[in-house]
Amino acid sequence: QKEVEQNSGPLSVPEGAIASLNCTYSDRGSQSFFWYRQYSGKSPELIMSIYSNGDKEDGRFTAQLNKASQYVSLLIRDSQPSDSATYLCAVNGAGNKLTFGGGTRVLVKP
Amino acid sequence: EPEVTQTPSHQVTQMGQEVILRCVPISNHLYFYWYRQILGQKVEFLVSFYNNEISEKSEIFDDQFSVERPDGSNFTLKIRSTKLEDSAMYFCASSVRQGMTDTQYFGPGTRLTVL
Repeated sequence: QKEVEQNSGPLSVPEGAIASLNCTYSDRGSQSFFWYRQYSGKSPELIMSIYSNGDKEDGRFTAQLNKASQYVSLLIRDSQPSDSATYLCAVNGAGNKLTFGGGTRVLVKP
Repeated sequence: EPEVTQTPSHQVTQMGQEVILRCVPISNHLYFYWYRQILGQKVEFLVSFYNNEISEKSEIFDDQFSVERPDGSNFTLKIRSTKLEDSAMYFCASSVRQGMTDTQYFGPGTRLTVL
């Protein structure tokens, strides 16, 4: 059973601070990694994809991938109240199916 | 910006009834997926579909489930005889593969309630 693990949170951060989210995965053969944001009652919304070891930046978001350690992380800089949501880590597997973690709930306090 | 659309947004049905959930993937996408999310739980993969065939399916996707692309735009999920435990949000997703990369975009979901 291929697993994706995340801390469920909530991760509480003050407005303007950096939120740091982590995700570990069990399938060493995984090649593609994704962060989705999900507001309550809504569908997953893609934030970032990352395929190579290292960092990838997109606006206020930075994804980091370390395949040797089998973890992927997401940094949210200058956190805003609108960033309050559940962040889902997803890993690509056979048949291109995504295996999701349980999500980390982030609360940004003004 | 192109989006995946799904209908209906909410479906209420009686146990044992058949339901069809509909999706219109992004127009140039060739790969289609169904996922479900039971309230408070993880998003779970059900099935992937390409070139009019199922590419991969999960243990959840048993004989009660089927998928179809009846025309050039729609992608459907049928549940033949619904059970109480089928109550969940059902998400359709689509993607276009470019080399190693394949990013799936999700529709807004259909909330299925089985009574």
